[in-house]
Amino acid sequence: DVKVTQSSRYLVKRTGEKVFLECVQDMDHENMFWYRQDPGLGLRLIYFSYDVKMKEKGDIPEGYSVSREKKERFSLILESASTNQTSMYLCASFHGGADTGELFFGEGSRLTVL
Amino acid sequence: GIQVEQSPPDLILQEGANSTLRCNFSDSVNNLQWFHQNPWGQLINLFYIPSGTKQNGRLSATTVATERYSLLYISSSQTTDSGVYFCAVERGSGGGADGLTFGKGTHLIIQP
Repeated sequence: DVKVTQSSRYLVKRTGEKVFLECVQDMDHENMFWYRQDPGLGLRLIYFSYDVKMKEKGDIPEGYSVSREKKERFSLILESASTNQTSMYLCASFHGGADTGELFFGEGSRLTVL
Repeated sequence: GIQVEQSPPDLILQEGANSTLRCNFSDSVNNLQWFHQNPWGQLINLFYIPSGTKQNGRLSATTVATERYSLLYISSSQTTDSGVYFCAVERGSGGGADGLTFGKGTHLIIQP
């Protein structure tokens, strides 16, 4: 089974703090993603990466950056956390092939910014 | 990008009932997945089904690609089926490699 592990299930941070959310996958997938989920807005893509040191903006990248130094690890960085970044953050990796194209998610990290 | 609409938004059923959840999408797709989000927030893969029919136990799914919709069937519902069910399709031209676009979900509550 694919395993996507997010380092923290719950975090509470203060406005202006730098926040790191870590994600590790164990299936050698090339593509990894960060989404945020908010009530009424659903899941929205923040950033994704298709290779080490490569990154692409998703639909809502403002206020975020990412790092992919190793294939299995994809980090989301909030340089200066703000209250509107209080959300559930979901990491995923993608397994594509001739007859499949599945996204696998971690358990989520619920971030509260005070 | 492709638009995804799910219906109904909310559904409350008694244990043992059957249900059908619908997903409409605005353009042809090469990737369509159904997920179940449990009460703890974990998204579980149910089906990868850009076309055709698949079954897994009490769950089955059908995608009619030419008519741009997919259906998820849950038979003999159990309380553990409660949660939010999402349909998602490819976000761009990469078949899902550049992410999926999600519908708003159907919130299902199964009462004992």
